[in-house]
Amino acid sequence: GAGVSQTPSNKVTEKGKYVELRCDPISGHTALYWYRQSLGQGPEFLIYFQGTGAADDSGLPNDRFFAVRPEGSVSTLKIQRTERGDSAVYLCASSFTPHGGTEAFFGQGTRLTVV
Amino acid sequence: GIQVEQSPPDLILQEGANSTLRCNFSDSVNNLQWFHQNPWGQLINLFYIPSGTKQNGRLSATTVATERYSLLYISSSQTTDSGVYFCAVVLQTGANNLFFGTGTRLTVIP
Repeated sequence: GAGVSQTPSNKVTEKGKYVELRCDPISGHTALYWYRQSLGQGPEFLIYFQGTGAADDSGLPNDRFFAVRPEGSVSTLKIQRTERGDSAVYLCASSFTPHGGTEAFFGQGTRLTVV
Repeated sequence: GIQVEQSPPDLILQEGANSTLRCNFSDSVNNLQWFHQNPWGQLINLFYIPSGTKQNGRLSATTVATERYSLLYISSSQTTDSGVYFCAVVLQTGANNLFFGTGTRLTVIP
């Protein structure tokens, strides 16, 4: 596609529920990243995919968070047993190669609210 | 871990004024990008500038990698320039992800 696309734009869920957030990267970009942005702060790294595999998941806060990219394109971030502290904007970024080598482009984000 | 500090944290400008935003980082980097986050939360790419100087219309940026800082210049500011400006870096060694700075919140008043 023309840009990084994220769905849904907004998600409100009840505490304890399971949610899935989707990211469709720019066509041809092999590197895909998830970041989380809390109010008033800059985005923070969660997980990085190179192709289908998670090359670095060191930013995931705990085992309730999981992400997949089964065909090397679309990625899904999954959050189990959501907590109010998970409320944030979840951003996806893609780049032609890993971030160190080329420019990263971000989607518009998914605003997750856990009530 | 790496420190990415931006200054000033907040800036209020009259429309038409010029400004300089600064980003200091504590380690050697492979990549540096400037973003503008608009009021709807979208991160808009301004510059990919690991080193050197680039210009795009009213905006220009300079990165001096050896001295670990980057500057973003905004000339003839417009109300649409309002928002938060972030610089983000990728370390030369180790992780491949972007580390974001603390941001500069710019408000341009008519």
